[in-house]
Amino acid sequence: DAKTTQPTSMDCAEGRAANLPCNHSTISGNEYVYWYRQIHSQGPQYIIHGLKNNETNEMASLIITEDRKSSTLILPHATLRDTAVYYCIVRGVSYNFNKFYFGSGTKLNVKP
Amino acid sequence: EAQVTQNPRYLITVTGKKLTVTCSQNMNHEYMSWYRQDPGLGLRQIYYSMNVEVTDKGDVPEGYKVSRKEKRNFPLILESPSPNQTSLYFCASSFDGRARGRETQYFGPGTRLLVL
Repeated sequence: DAKTTQPTSMDCAEGRAANLPCNHSTISGNEYVYWYRQIHSQGPQYIIHGLKNNETNEMASLIITEDRKSSTLILPHATLRDTAVYYCIVRGVSYNFNKFYFGSGTKLNVKP
Repeated sequence: EAQVTQNPRYLITVTGKKLTVTCSQNMNHEYMSWYRQDPGLGLRQIYYSMNVEVTDKGDVPEGYKVSRKEKRNFPLILESPSPNQTSLYFCASSFDGRARGRETQYFGPGTRLLVL
């Protein structure tokens, strides 16, 4: 099962873009990349996911490298409410679907 | 409103006293799962269920039981709680995405358990 590596923490100024990297060098061809975040001790919140192409929704953008070994979550205009732990997860199809490894995540600190 | 609910949200108990944490979802999801979260260890999967009467162990199943008699409910049972089960517990659900692999998992608000 593919695992992910993320920096422990990052700082970002309010109003600036936050770019959160993730390495998933052992990802296989049918595994999706998911991003979740957890604010304080609330339940994790879904942000975005992708397979090969870059994705964008109302919350964020996801950039996946061509070899799919890494990805970057972009929060275009970070606010103080975006301070949270961000988890990059890979999830497979078929027999790997039930596994959902969160890892340690990146603590994003958005500062005024 | 589509949601995953957990009860109770907070619980203090003593060693050996059986307890059940309930989880319910109103989205008709096939897949449900339980996680525990401990400082420095992230979220770890306890048990999961692919559908009614189908359950399987996650990474840390010892000391826990689950059942899936109805599609919407997935209770977590601690037959004889011990202090090392003090943790923050999350329930989650999603559609069965084994074919597509891209089903979003929705999480409940969490249950904070303290075992004395």
